[in-house]
Amino acid sequence: AQSVAQPEDQVNVAEGNPLTVKCTYSVSGNPYLFWYVQYPNRGLQFLLKYITGDNLVKGSYGFEAEFNKSQTSFHLKKPSALVSDSALYFCAVRGAYNTDKLIFGTGTRLQVFP
Amino acid sequence: ETGVTQTPRHLVMGMTNKKSLKCEQHLGHNAMYWYKQSAKKPLELMFVYNFKEQTENNSVPSRFSPECPNSSHLFLHLHTLQPEDSALYLCASSQGLQGAEETQYFGPGTRLLVL
Repeated sequence: AQSVAQPEDQVNVAEGNPLTVKCTYSVSGNPYLFWYVQYPNRGLQFLLKYITGDNLVKGSYGFEAEFNKSQTSFHLKKPSALVSDSALYFCAVRGAYNTDKLIFGTGTRLQVFP
Repeated sequence: ETGVTQTPRHLVMGMTNKKSLKCEQHLGHNAMYWYKQSAKKPLELMFVYNFKEQTENNSVPSRFSPECPNSSHLFLHLHTLQPEDSALYLCASSQGLQGAEETQYFGPGTRLLVL
């Protein structure tokens, strides 16, 4: 069975500092991994995805994520956080089989303090 | 941001009311989805349509009735809802259902409150 975990409900970071939002997953076979961001009163906005190839994926707004197969992780990172990055971040995973569905984590709230 | 639109953005209804949520996608996609987002819970997939045909009903109660007249429009008809149905209802679309790498694009959601 597929699953995805975001172990932190909230992450606090000072503006200008690097940020990491954690995500671990479990699927049979190769995973397809996604990060979405949700700003207040908005829908989910696609940030980036890992399909295959380079383990470091670059996405929108300076975000990147590193796929680590041995640790089954796909942590979201940014070298220098902005106050405007404060939002709810969702990790999602899907297996490679046609019957696999896109499964979302419970979300991590990122708070960037000035 | 305007690729997938949803109306209304906010809705308050009584348990005996009938209302409908509307979703429209302007991305030329063929697949559309309804999700329910409740606080502290993962997104719950409700329905999936591909080329207007329903391909998935994730054990959703019959008081939720979807309709997909064409690949660009998706409705969710609501009837005799319960207070626990209060949530943010999100619509999404994707190019199709062919590959696991398909990216879903979401609308802004309808915030529903059932009194």
